Amino acid sequence: GAVVSQHPSWVICKSGTSVKIECRSLDFQATTMFWYRQFPKQSLMLMATSNEGSKATYEQGVEKDKFLINHASLTLSTLTVTSAHPEDSSFYICSARGVSGANVLTFGAGSRLTVL
Amino acid sequence: AQTVTQSQPEMSVQEAETVTLSCTYDTSESDYYLFWYKQPPSRQMILVIRQEAYKQQNATENRFSVNFQKAAKSFSLKISDSQLGDAAMYFCAYRRGNEKLTFGTGTRLTIIP
Repeated sequence: GAVVSQHPSWVICKSGTSVKIECRSLDFQATTMFWYRQFPKQSLMLMATSNEGSKATYEQGVEKDKFLINHASLTLSTLTVTSAHPEDSSFYICSARGVSGANVLTFGAGSRLTVL
Repeated sequence: AQTVTQSQPEMSVQEAETVTLSCTYDTSESDYYLFWYKQPPSRQMILVIRQEAYKQQNATENRFSVNFQKAAKSFSLKISDSQLGDAAMYFCAYRRGNEKLTFGTGTRLTIIP
């Protein structure tokens, strides 16, 4: 079945630094990838939708200059948290939709970011 | 805007028993998809079951089945013969076409041995 790999699974960084999280579709081409943020004991909140080769579409309230999303190929999307602060600490999850699998999303295992 | 409501923050069931998780949603669309996802302690989101709104027949996947009431905009999940591995957060989700998924707030299911 379709597999999405997310890396790193956890990362700790100092305040003010930038962190990049990768989301890769391993056995299918992902035309669209979604990035979610999940706070403890809460639901998944969509941050942005990225389509291969075009700019990401951000949800209302999400700072696009803070959360840079790049979807340069059909198998890779990256989320960069720039100038991270403790309030950016969260669990970030990506999901991918393949060319033919329009009705099914495959989720990565998530990345836990802790900003000190 | 579409909203998904899960009114049960927590549920518990005895092992081998049956439990039903509730979900209601609000939409003006007639064609859409509904999903139940499971998020175990590993945090990996796992698709449990999905339902196309145009289908009247309720979806079933082994021990998991749904009760889809389109007019009432209700989409409950029934888990039969509950197992310890079913313990997780369960999220109901809605999607129209290829648009974004909208998740409910989740129900934490505990299985009592």
